[in-house]
Formats: sequence, structure tokens, C-alpha cells
Amino acid sequence: GAGVSQSPRYKVAKRGQDVALRCDPISGHVSLFWYQQALGQGPEFLTYFQNEAQLDKSGLPSDRFFAERPEGSVSTLKIQRTQQEDSAVYLCASSFRKGASIYFGEGSWLTVV
Amino acid sequence: QQQVKQSPQSLIVQKGGIPIINCAYENTAFDYFPWYQQFPGKGPALLIAIRPDVSEKKEGRFTISFNKSAKQFSLHIMDSQPGDSATYFCAAGYNTDKHIFGTGTRLQVFP
Repeated sequence: GAGVSQSPRYKVAKRGQDVALRCDPISGHVSLFWYQQALGQGPEFLTYFQNEAQLDKSGLPSDRFFAERPEGSVSTLKIQRTQQEDSAVYLCASSFRKGASIYFGEGSWLTVV
Repeated sequence: QQQVKQSPQSLIVQKGGIPIINCAYENTAFDYFPWYQQFPGKGPALLIAIRPDVSEKKEGRFTISFNKSAKQFSLHIMDSQPGDSATYFCAAGYNTDKHIFGTGTRLQVFP
């Protein structure tokens, strides 16, 4: 596709439910990032992949958060046992190579009720 | 040491004005300083970026000024237009990897 594609765009989850958010990076992009953006705040880094290798997961807030990119293209961010404080926009971004400009998707809006 | 402080929180200018947004960082290891523009419901889009070996960079109506000794950088928008109304984020990072974002500045440009 022309840009980074994320799905679902909107998700309402009941507290305690597991959710999975999908990211399709720009074709050929080897680097992939996940960020979390709370309402009215700047994005906060969650994790970084280079191809299928997860090189940095220092921003994942708890062990309820898990990300994978098994074939080096599509990535999934999974949140187990969702809590209200997980409500945020989850942004995926990709870049052609390490050191190149980063392109963000439109985000997946998660509301936990 | 990982924070990026951004000001002001909001800014209102008239068309043709030159809004200026400021950011300050602490970690001298940062070597990449981008600015992103974000419209409601959209992801951030890269506007312009600078590395610490230059003091100024211009791209169209957007200019970054960088002061390495003060650990500060700013975005100037020349001849601002109503279409520039958006939220602007500064960031700092290592190369173009993991970014630390500022808290954002909501800019409104009135006709």
C-alpha cells in the first residue's frame, strides 16, 4: 500500500478483554515502531523491530503488552487483560532502513470501558 | 534526562504571522531532532528534521533553528496559513530510531 495501514481503526474493549492491533508497514520497510499516544499528549515509544527481530521493547508498560513481527512485515501488538489506563491511540510507524525517515499510520483508537 | 520540553502548549496567530514553537532537551547523546505535524484523527507526519552539526535548516515555509550549546531547538512557520492549524510535536532521538516526543503545541491560524 501507499502508507502504513493499521486495523482496527477503532476498538472498544471491556476491561479484562484481550485485544490485538495490526500494522501493515510500507512495503519494503525493514524498521517498524509502535508508539502509544494518550489524549492530548505526545506519542510515547513502546517497541522497535528491525525485520523480525525485536531490538527494543523498553517502552512496553507491563507484561500485558506483547508485540511480534514473525515474518518481518506485518506486526501485531497484543494487550492482555485490558485496563482503563490502556485507553489511547496506538500508532505504528515504519522506515525503509535504519536511519531513514519514519512514516506513521493513522493509529488504532482503543477505548477500554 | 530523556525528557523533551515543548512550549507553548497552544498558540493563536493571524494569517501571515510567524508562530514559533520551542523545545529543550537534556541528553547530549541525541543526534536527530524532527518536527511532526498532526491533524485530528491522523498520525504524525514528518515536517522537517535537523542534526546537531547545523544551526538552521529551511524547507519551504518551515525553518528549524538549533542551538547545540543551549540544548534548544525551535520551529518557525513563515507566512502561516489557516491550513497550518494543527498540533506540532518536536522530538529527539538517536539517528531516526526511538523518538522522545514533546507534549505538543496546538496551533490555530485565523484568516
